[in-house]
Formats: sequence, structure tokens, C-alpha cells
Amino acid sequence: AQSVTQLDSQVPVFEEAPVELRCNYSSSVSVYLFWYVQYPNQGLQLLLKYLSGSTLVESINGFEAEFNKSQTSFHLRKPSVHISDTAEYFCAVSIIQGAQKLVFGQGTRLTINP
Amino acid sequence: DTAVSQTPKYLVTQMGNDKSIKCEQNLGHDTMYWYKQDSKKFLKIMFSYNNKELIINETVPNRFSPKSPDKAHLNLHINSLELGDSAVYFCASSQVSGGAGELFFGEGSRLTVL
Repeated sequence: AQSVTQLDSQVPVFEEAPVELRCNYSSSVSVYLFWYVQYPNQGLQLLLKYLSGSTLVESINGFEAEFNKSQTSFHLRKPSVHISDTAEYFCAVSIIQGAQKLVFGQGTRLTINP
Repeated sequence: DTAVSQTPKYLVTQMGNDKSIKCEQNLGHDTMYWYKQDSKKFLKIMFSYNNKELIINETVPNRFSPKSPDKAHLNLHINSLELGDSAVYFCASSQVSGGAGELFFGEGSRLTVL
């Protein structure tokens, strides 16, 4: 079975500061890795994903995540956050073989203060 | 146009009642899902359908019965509601049923059982 641990339930940062949201996973088989974002009162949206190839993946709004196989981590980073980044962020994995079944972490609430 | 729409958005009901949540997607996707988000924001898959066929059925009580009349619709019927069923239920769809696909989520249906 797969499991995902997001090490911080809440992360408050000041606007324009850098941020890192940590994610570790456990799986006995190969997985794909995802970050989803949930803005208040909305559904989840895909932020970025790692399937294969370069271990560093980027989103269109400045977030990046690095897949580290040896540490089984997929931490999310942004060098300078904006008020509009305030949201809940979910790390998730899905096994490569078989039907899509996302296993989510507990979520990290990112709060940006002015 | 909303890609994945759910109705109702809010549902308040008494224990023991039966209720349904409807979901429709206009993305032309073949695969649809129901996820449950509990009060701690933890998301867990319940069901997945591919072209109207059930492909994932997690350990969900028999009181929960999904129905997919066509590949654009996936409804969730819940019998004999219990307090523990209170949660936000998210419908989602994806173009492929395999592990790499991006999920598109609806805005959620918040069920409160009194």
C-alpha cells in the first residue's frame, strides 16, 4: 500500500518570502507524484506532477517540486510567494500500473501574510 | 461552463435519511471518481468508473451506491445516513484511467448529518 506524509499541517509566511512544503511518501512499487492545490470553497486543481525524466518539475505560476527517490520525497517550493498563493496544498501518489487511485497526504495550509 | 459540476453544493439532513449527490462532466472524459474529504481535510477515494463500469471500489459501506448512467454522469446515493457520513464529497474525472492522468475536480458537496 502507498502512504503520503505532509510534514507540516500549516505554514505561515510573509508575502515575497520563499516557502517549502514538505512531502514524503512510502510505496513498495513505482509511483507517479502530484501536487494539487485547493483554494477556499473550490475543488482541487493539479499544480504539477512528476511522471518520469527530469526530477525537477515546474508549474506555470512559479512553483517547483523535486523528486528525490533516495529520500522518497517530493517537496514543493516557491522562491517568492504572493497573497494569492494562500490555499491548501495536497501531495499525492498513484501507482504506475493499474487504475488511477490517488493517495493523498493530509494537506498543508499555506497562509501568506502581507 | 463548469467542467465538473456537482449538485447539491450543500446538504443538511437527519440521521437515517437517504440522499443523492449528482455529478456531471462536460470534458469528454472516460473515467469518473468519488472522493470523500473528512473534517481534517483528509481525502480518500471511494469509487471509480471507466466508461460506466466500476473499476475501483474501496472499502466503502454498502449504504453507498454509485451509479453511472453514461460516461458523463456519476451519481452517489447514500442510504440510512449516519453522523460519520458528514464530509465533503468530491466528484472528479480524468481522460485516462491509468495512474498518470490529471484529475479534474468539482467544487464539492458538503453533507451534514444531524
